Amino acid sequence: SQQGEEDPQALSIQEGENATMNCSYKTSINNLQWYRQNSGRGLVHLILIRSNEREKHSGRLRVTLDTSKKSSSLLITASRAADTASYFCATDHTASKLTFGTGTRLQVTL
Amino acid sequence: GAVVSQHPSRVICKSGTSVKIECRSLDFQATTMFWYRQFPKQSLMLMATSNEGSKATYEQGVEKDKFLINHASLTLSTLTVTSAHPEDSSFYICSARDPGGLTDTQYFGPGTRLTVL
Repeated sequence: SQQGEEDPQALSIQEGENATMNCSYKTSINNLQWYRQNSGRGLVHLILIRSNEREKHSGRLRVTLDTSKKSSSLLITASRAADTASYFCATDHTASKLTFGTGTRLQVTL
Repeated sequence: GAVVSQHPSRVICKSGTSVKIECRSLDFQATTMFWYRQFPKQSLMLMATSNEGSKATYEQGVEKDKFLINHASLTLSTLTVTSAHPEDSSFYICSARDPGGLTDTQYFGPGTRLTVL
């Protein structure tokens, strides 16, 4: 299976703290994307980083990509209770087919 | 961003019946749509790639005769779960890529929760 691994599987932090999630994958990629999913809902696209990029920012989100290690990280700074959700990385290998990671369930408490 | 809708959002059916799920791109034309299924607290698994005007491409292990996909227009793909059984109960999500978009972003529908009794 090409499915990526994410860690941690679950993360619980307090509001205001930073949350870091990691994603590892197995084969070369065109790009890597991070998505958010609230419980029982669809996916919301957060950020896309191409294989020739190393870091990208969007608001409170910071994504890094290390193609030599086949890994990526998502940092959410100054977390809020509304950030509580599951976060998935997805790798685009060929023809825009996405392979999703196992996901990290983030719980942000007040 | 682009909008993808799914209908119905939730369906409960008896074992042996067939269920059709629609996926629509509302403000763009999608030559390719994707169908995923997701079990509780698990990741999304790609089932098939739906191509407008041609046959769908199924992932390994997905029964094409059980999960019928029709992509009859550039804005609509349907997934029909035939002779559904309790093990088909799952969350089904579609996505579409906007070929006119600036990035390779896929836009996801809100999902359809299927419960087979």
